[in-house]
Amino acid sequence: QQQVKQSPQSLIVQKGGISIINCAYENTAFDYFPWYQQFPGKGPALLIAIRPDVSEKKEGRFTISFNKSAKQFSLHIMDSQPGDSATYFCAASEGYGGATNKLIFGTGTLLAVQP
Amino acid sequence: ETGVTQSPTHLIKTRGQQVTLRCSSQSGHNTVSWYQQALGQGPQFIFQYYREEENGRGNFPPRFSGLQFPNYSSELNVNALELDDSALYLCASSPGPFYEQYFGPGTRLTVT
Repeated sequence: QQQVKQSPQSLIVQKGGISIINCAYENTAFDYFPWYQQFPGKGPALLIAIRPDVSEKKEGRFTISFNKSAKQFSLHIMDSQPGDSATYFCAASEGYGGATNKLIFGTGTLLAVQP
Repeated sequence: ETGVTQSPTHLIKTRGQQVTLRCSSQSGHNTVSWYQQALGQGPQFIFQYYREEENGRGNFPPRFSGLQFPNYSSELNVNALELDDSALYLCASSPGPFYEQYFGPGTRLTVT
């Protein structure tokens, strides 16, 4: 029940295309859903996050879509660029409802944007 | 404003030894969380420290322990190292237990 399932495992997109990564969860107590971007040899960098009171959040080329009833959320990267090539992790936490704000991470998606 | 820093960058230890990893939190952040990231996997929560007290622990054995100091920097100690402890150890700081977490670059630990 604590798992966050992420797909696809890897993704190849042409420059200028849309990259879509999906995540699903079971724990209905989760109320905070961030996405992290990680380059090789670096720590994860917070990209964008959403709470369940909204169905979509957009920051620049990055958009989170959230479907509370389906317990799914996704990251859309518009106009994908070669510099976006990295591993992307979705995560979830219980926030105020839990004892601690531990993040439960998905297994990651390796994105390659071809020039 | 400096970000989260970790030391050392890389470390090689022998099975059975002990190791201490260090983390300096971002300015203004009083909460530090530690994660273990095995190769090709997502980070796994080890524990969190808030105002020098442990504030939650993941599914890790007691040989994983930590400290948080008055300046909110933190240490992760691992005793009796095992080969499976080889991983990237990440520290994340936040302004409080329920705020966004910002990660440091990590310490790559190799146990031989």
